[in-house]
Amino acid sequence: GNSVTQMEGPVTLSEEAFLTINCTYTATGYPSLFWYVQYPGEGLQLLLKATKADDKGSNKGFEATYRKETTSFHLEKGSVQVSDSAVYFCALRSSGSARQLTFGSGTQLTVLP
Amino acid sequence: DVKVTQSSRYLVKRTGEKVFLECVQDMDHENMFWYRQDPGLGLRLIYFSYDVKMKEKGDIPEGYSVSREKKERFSLILESASTNQTSMYLCASSPFPRTSGDHYEQYFGPGTRLTVT
Repeated sequence: GNSVTQMEGPVTLSEEAFLTINCTYTATGYPSLFWYVQYPGEGLQLLLKATKADDKGSNKGFEATYRKETTSFHLEKGSVQVSDSAVYFCALRSSGSARQLTFGSGTQLTVLP
Repeated sequence: DVKVTQSSRYLVKRTGEKVFLECVQDMDHENMFWYRQDPGLGLRLIYFSYDVKMKEKGDIPEGYSVSREKKERFSLILESASTNQTSMYLCASSPFPRTSGDHYEQYFGPGTRLTVT
């Protein structure tokens, strides 16, 4: 079956530090990959996505590249802000499923001023 | 602006009670989902529905049922609440794919934090 593995949290960084949150996946076929973000007290919202190998998704200074050879989709940001403090979820939709997403366990990020 | 609303942000119920969690979306989406979110486990799919009166089990359906009588509304039912159902419940919706290449953002509600005592 499909699965998503994220790096263990929580992650605490100082403002302007470089961020990497690792995500690897197991899936059949050619899945689509997503990063969702959950700000305190809110539901999840889509941060970025990539639908085929070597695609790079980007939004709000965050980037992730779909690496089929390493089955990875690591999230990066060059300079984090306090407002980036949230929980980040990596997710996939397999090529055989039109509807379901499989989520990772989430990584709590706290950015200190 | 797209909207998924959930009937309660916080709910406290007693063991054995029947609990209804309601979700409404205003985007005319075909697909609706119920997840539970627990620390260290991420989101786990309970049930989903791709049309009115249609439902499919997700990964953890035991102890839950669902109802979808209208397109915009998807209800999660705990027939007899137990303490291990204390969790954050998230509802989501997404459109039905028009082509095989479509990738569909799921839109989430703010969640209902249910405590069963």
